[in-house]
Amino acid sequence: DTAVSQTPKYLVTQMGNDKSIKCEQNLGHDTMYWYKQDSKKFLKIMFSYNNKELIINETVPNRFSPKSPDKAHLNLHINSLELGDSAVYFCASSLSSGRGIAYFGAGTRLSVL
Amino acid sequence: ELKVEQNPLFLSMQEGKNYTIYCNYSTTSDRLYWYRQDPGKSLESLFVLLSNGAVKQEGRLMASLDTKARLSTLHITAAVHDLSATYFCAVDQNYQLIWGAGTKLIIKP
Repeated sequence: DTAVSQTPKYLVTQMGNDKSIKCEQNLGHDTMYWYKQDSKKFLKIMFSYNNKELIINETVPNRFSPKSPDKAHLNLHINSLELGDSAVYFCASSLSSGRGIAYFGAGTRLSVL
Repeated sequence: ELKVEQNPLFLSMQEGKNYTIYCNYSTTSDRLYWYRQDPGKSLESLFVLLSNGAVKQEGRLMASLDTKARLSTLHITAAVHDLSATYFCAVDQNYQLIWGAGTKLIIKP
């Protein structure tokens, strides 16, 4: 069983559309994250949730809205997609906030045309 | 604000050679992580270093931590092509990991 699974793996869409990425972890971890990795491979944290509560909300456009229905799931909804949103988005989880090894999903490669 | 700097950012080397990747960080932290990312793939944890002087080894990779110098090294011994990847270090601060920019390592046969 995949520890951290995110879907879809690839997402190609037009500017202005709204899209969602889903993430689930079966590790029993308390904390989940969304990261954005740009074309230069730089990894930037976007959000972190601990037991369904938002604890990190970095400076990202408010077109990005995370939702955590329970501690095993953290979804990312993006409104009005822009060209600059093209990147790979990784979901990750760890035992507790910022402590312990983070386990990453396979990534979602988003291309905005 | 914690900053994490890796160098070099790009490294091309021949199989069989030894080399070291450096990770410097700017403020005190008690945990440092090394991750590996293969092209087009996810990130995979390699090592967690928890204390000053910690050393961990897995195969041809060895990581160490000097908390006084705020420096970690990832040493590659007798490199093989399979170790080609991007290597990231990350440091704990305020309930999140602060990441280095990554070192892209290419090992030529």
